[in-house]
Amino acid sequence: DAKTTQPTSMDCAEGRAANLPCNHSTISGNEYVYWYRQIHSQGPQYIIHGLKNNETNEMASLIITEDRKSSTLILPHATLRDTAVYYCIAQDMNRDDKIIFGKGTRLHILP
Amino acid sequence: DTGVSQNPRHKITKRGQNVTFRCDPISEHNRLYWYRQTLGQGPEFLTYFQNEAQLEKSRLLSDRFSAERPKGSFSTLEIQRTEQGDSAMYLCASSLAGGRDNEQFFGPGTRLTVL
Repeated sequence: DAKTTQPTSMDCAEGRAANLPCNHSTISGNEYVYWYRQIHSQGPQYIIHGLKNNETNEMASLIITEDRKSSTLILPHATLRDTAVYYCIAQDMNRDDKIIFGKGTRLHILP
Repeated sequence: DTGVSQNPRHKITKRGQNVTFRCDPISEHNRLYWYRQTLGQGPEFLTYFQNEAQLEKSRLLSDRFSAERPKGSFSTLEIQRTEQGDSAMYLCASSLAGGRDNEQFFGPGTRLTVL
């Protein structure tokens, strides 16, 4: 699996957009970029995924660079409930098996 | 609530005792995963099932650990002769193989403390 690197922690003011970067320079052509988050004392929660096109859903937007070596998760209007650890994962969807989590980015939303 | 439930939510045991955890996945999901998470780390894969077949086991799963999914529905994870190093959050997840988004749905976890 491709290794991803993320900042250890980030702060964002409530109501502002939170932009979480992820580097995946060794990603292979059949690996998707997935984002999960884990709120304190809960299990991880799927947010969004993409292959090469930008994606948007009700939770977030995912911007993937053209060379696919990095991506950014955008929470457009962060709330205090978005305080969590965010994990960026590169996964081969066709293998459909285990997730390899890194340490993620701890996002603090400040009131 | 993701639809995946785990019991118990908390377990405190003494070193050397056996413990068993249960996971009930989303009913139509044929894949079930177990992960372990220690403080400050991301979840680590332990094992997964497709229906009742255990398809992969991590080297983290020592011979003191055993997992079953006898009827392809709920699963149990047993730890024999617990050690203090087994203290962790044990997470269960389920998914539908070949599902559109390939997302895994996680339960709330069972927190194990070994004294």
